[in-house]
Amino acid sequence: DIVMTQSPDSLAVSLGERATINCKSSQSLLKSSNNKNYLAWYQQKPGQPPKLLIYWASARESGVPDRFSGSGSGTDFTLTISSLQAEDVAVYHCQQYYSGSLFGGGTNVEIK
Amino acid sequence: QLQLQESGPGLVKPSETLSLTCTVSGGSIISSSYYWAWIRQSPGRGLEWVGSTYYSGYTYYSPSLNSRVTISVDTSKNQFSLNLHSVTAADTAVYYCAREGYYRYFQHWGLGTLVTVSS
Repeated sequence: DIVMTQSPDSLAVSLGERATINCKSSQSLLKSSNNKNYLAWYQQKPGQPPKLLIYWASARESGVPDRFSGSGSGTDFTLTISSLQAEDVAVYHCQQYYSGSLFGGGTNVEIK
Repeated sequence: QLQLQESGPGLVKPSETLSLTCTVSGGSIISSSYYWAWIRQSPGRGLEWVGSTYYSGYTYYSPSLNSRVTISVDTSKNQFSLNLHSVTAADTAVYYCAREGYYRYFQHWGLGTLVTVSS
């Protein structure tokens, strides 16, 4: 079974600074048939459901600000918020959909 | 604008069946492009995919819950439902319904409903 590990568990960043969240898979999420990484990122604000930010590891969902970007391939992936805004305070989850569907444990992002 | 709304009892007794319904509005559940999913979230277990269905009735479930889960679809009501049998306290969670893209990431979510398993 694939295991998804997110780090750090919690992150405090000053407004306007960069936030970086990592997600590591125990198996490669890159499918050779289409050269795509089966990895998505979600943002979950308090009391709300998760919201899709990124799919295929780096494709931004429609309407998502361009300060959010996804990168990585194979087993190591990163979500970057280039300039943290107050409204970005949330828990961020990664999800692999290469084999079944499995989420990481989440990373709590707060303002320093 | 697509909306999904979960409904059902907020309290279920241990060993009984948890039953929830998701009503889809602003779009048809009959679509060749999408699946319809149940996902749950509890403090100790994070987000956990429960299972998914296609409008035709095809279903697939999480291996860890497969023996206890049934998901069905009612296209005439634009709804799909979750039955989780023989529940325990470990099944206490917020249950979300969601629209799942063909490649299995979740594009639209309901607001979620808290289900507590307790006598």
